[in-house]
Amino acid sequence: GDSVTQMEGPVTLSEEAFLTINCTYTATGYPSLFWYVQYPGEGLQLLLKATKADDKGSNKGFEATYRKETTSFHLEKGSVQVSDSAVYFCALTPGGTSYGKLTFGQGTILTVHP
Amino acid sequence: ETGVTQTPRHLVMGMTNKKSLKCEQHLGHNAMYWYKQSAKKPLELMFVYNFKEQTENNSVPSRFSPECPNSSHLFLHLHTLQPEDSALYLCASSQVSSGTLSSPYEQYFGPGTRLTVT
Repeated sequence: GDSVTQMEGPVTLSEEAFLTINCTYTATGYPSLFWYVQYPGEGLQLLLKATKADDKGSNKGFEATYRKETTSFHLEKGSVQVSDSAVYFCALTPGGTSYGKLTFGQGTILTVHP
Repeated sequence: ETGVTQTPRHLVMGMTNKKSLKCEQHLGHNAMYWYKQSAKKPLELMFVYNFKEQTENNSVPSRFSPECPNSSHLFLHLHTLQPEDSALYLCASSQVSSGTLSSPYEQYFGPGTRLTVT
């Protein structure tokens, strides 16, 4: 079945550091890929998405590129802020489904210190 | 009110109690979802309602019973739960096409209900 694997956390960085959170996936066909973020006490929010190979999703300074050859969708940000502290989830939706069934990774906790 | 709302935000219940979680979406979507988020585990999809019809039940125990009276409301009825059912229960909604092939529409999540079973 479909699966998503994220790098183990937690990740702790200083403000303005470079961030990478690795995500790889296993899926048949042509899935769409997502990054969701969960701030403390809140539900998940869509951060960015990519629907086909070589697409780059971007939002709020975060970027991720859909790499079909390496089945990866790594999240990057050039300069993190304290307000980026949250849990980040990589997810996929299989292609060709009649509804958006999401398969999530286990989440990566990010803590950014001033 | 906008987005996806969930009530209550926190719930403590004994194993013999019966309670219900409520979710309401104000986005005009036609699909709704229940997820379970436990510590150190990936989010688990529990149920999917697509056009008010249940299209997925992910091997969820019968002590969880969903209800979707219309496309804006979703309930999760709980009875005789176990302590291991303590978790954050998240509701989500999305807009999907009525055909078998569709673009993946992103899901919008509510803040969740933190459930503790004692």
